[in-house]
Amino acid sequence: KAGVTQTPRYLIKTRGQQVTLSCSPISGHRSVSWYQQTPGQGLQFLFEYFSETQRNKGNFPGRFSGRQFSNSRSEMNVSTLELGDSALYLCASSFFLNTEAFFGQGTRLTVV
Amino acid sequence: EDQVTQSPEALRLQEGESSSLNCSYTVSGLRGLFWYRQDPGKGPEFLFTLYSAGEEKEKERLKATLTKKESFLHITAPKPEDSATYLCAASGLSNAGNMLTFGGGTRLMVKP
Repeated sequence: KAGVTQTPRYLIKTRGQQVTLSCSPISGHRSVSWYQQTPGQGLQFLFEYFSETQRNKGNFPGRFSGRQFSNSRSEMNVSTLELGDSALYLCASSFFLNTEAFFGQGTRLTVV
Repeated sequence: EDQVTQSPEALRLQEGESSSLNCSYTVSGLRGLFWYRQDPGKGPEFLFTLYSAGEEKEKERLKATLTKKESFLHITAPKPEDSATYLCAASGLSNAGNMLTFGGGTRLMVKP
């Protein structure tokens, strides 16, 4: 059974640009969550989607947005990139509510 | 606001030297307590879910336990390949979905 797939694995962007990251959940999983991981702040919740609806949103500025498609695949977008957005962005999928979350390998974003 | 605190931040053990990692949580209505292992540059790998105080789960050299305020990850006779960062996360009734609040992690180093 394939795991959670995130693309791309690595990205280098310039300050002010925008970026889109993609996540394909485990087959059959309907919940997709996104997290940002940095050495200073650890793992912080961005948002969660379930059946194409955003269920929860973390304390991040509006430059961070996401969406989920009918096949459960999800994308997150960051506009007007800042140096502080450099981080490992992790996607996790769950079968249903309050079940284990399985993480992808992440997308390493570097903003220069 | 849900909070999760892990201690110690780092732990060095000799191979075979058993120890425990601590995870303290303050969550409004705990729905689940999750343990993950994360290797450098990779996404977190799911280990255990605990749902109620008194519950215990084991997997090879690892055993997770849960009380009303804390969870412990006991490592028995660790091997160098157990070296990783161990993350604890909680899900509470304050959110409608699968949002996880993570602790800062414990970086475990096992020397041969």
